[in-house]
Amino acid sequence: AQRVTQPEKLLSVFKGAPVELKCNYSYSGSPELFWYVQYSRQRLQLLLRHISRESIKGFTADLNKGETSFHLKKPFAQEEDSAMYYCALVPSSASKIIFGSGTRLSIRP
Amino acid sequence: DTGVSQDPRHKITKRGQNVTFRCDPISEHNRLYWYRQTLGQGPEFLTYFQNEAQLEKSRLLSDRFSAERPKGSFSTLEIQRTEQGDSAMYLCASSLAGGLSQETQYFGPGTRLLVL
Repeated sequence: AQRVTQPEKLLSVFKGAPVELKCNYSYSGSPELFWYVQYSRQRLQLLLRHISRESIKGFTADLNKGETSFHLKKPFAQEEDSAMYYCALVPSSASKIIFGSGTRLSIRP
Repeated sequence: DTGVSQDPRHKITKRGQNVTFRCDPISEHNRLYWYRQTLGQGPEFLTYFQNEAQLEKSRLLSDRFSAERPKGSFSTLEIQRTEQGDSAMYLCASSLAGGLSQETQYFGPGTRLLVL
């Protein structure tokens, strides 16, 4: 079955502390992995995708095929990082996105 | 073009009534997707179109649901005989397909449906 698991509903860290949002997936093929973010009162938007291997707003995510994980990391959290984060995958030869249930990140001042 | 738009933004209806939602994608985008999001969950795929052709439908899309994209531009999602379990946020997304890698889907603000 194709599934994305985000084990944490809520993650609360202090400003300046490191952040890691966990994501594990279940898929037998070679999916594309993404992180989407939804800030308060804004629409869902793409944060980053694994094939780009880039850092967006200080966030990075490495695809670990052995552990089927795609954790999102940032070394120093900022207050504006507070948002809902969704890990997602797109199966090969498909277009639909399969989302995890999301993690709410709260950055304390 | 300010992105994907959806209308209405909120809809309250009584059980058994029919409702219709509209999505206007980004103008040059050839793919259009519908997702449903319930409280505490991530969005779940319902269906998608490439131009006017409906290419995939989820098992979540019961026969009370129908989606159209008649001219390959805007799309409508109709729910007939609504049930309380249909209460959710309905999201639309569009993308420009044709490259080698997975295209980026751009999401609309959603239509929040409440069935009483």
